[in-house]
Amino acid sequence: LAKTTQPISMDSYEGQEVNITCSHNNIATNDYITWYQQFPSQGPRFIIQGYKTKVTNEVASLFIPADRKSSTLSLPRVSLSDTAVYYCLVGYNNNDMRFGAGTRLTVKP
Amino acid sequence: SAVISQKPSRDICQRGTSLTIQCQVDSQVTMMFWYRQQPGQSLTLIATANQGSEATYESGFVIDKFPISRPNLTFSTLTVSNMSPEDSSIYLCRTWSRNYGYTFGSGTRLTVV
Repeated sequence: LAKTTQPISMDSYEGQEVNITCSHNNIATNDYITWYQQFPSQGPRFIIQGYKTKVTNEVASLFIPADRKSSTLSLPRVSLSDTAVYYCLVGYNNNDMRFGAGTRLTVKP
Repeated sequence: SAVISQKPSRDICQRGTSLTIQCQVDSQVTMMFWYRQQPGQSLTLIATANQGSEATYESGFVIDKFPISRPNLTFSTLTVSNMSPEDSSIYLCRTWSRNYGYTFGSGTRLTVV
């Protein structure tokens, strides 16, 4: 199973764009990349998923280079309510998804 | 996404006792999983709940300690048996279906005293 590496923590200010990069050097051909958001005392919430190039939804964008050994979650114009832990997962067919340590994002006023 | 009702939301239990956690989904889902999240830690997959058959456990987790049931496509239970303070964690169920994608339950915060 592909292992993921993310920064332990990041700080940002309201209104800024935040980019969180995840390394997954041994990603397999069939693996998808998925990002989750978790607030304290809540279960993780799905943000976005991609396989290659760029994916965008109403919440975030996901950039995946051609070699797929890393990915970047981009949160535009963050607010205080975006303070959470963000997890990058790599897996296939939604089954073998294991959580890494995650990135604790703190948005300051 | 599917709507999951996970119960109880929290409990304080005596060591040596057992607690059963339930996840009820409002629609049929293909896959159901159980996770543990220890304080300040990431989530660890305990097992995959298989409908009508024995669950598939991850390394470090055994059926005697964490028996799991999944009698149908909308319901599963996880029992934490013979609890010790080290079992104090948040336990979460997760579902996946082609129609609704990924959904986590709200979690059960367990404290063993």
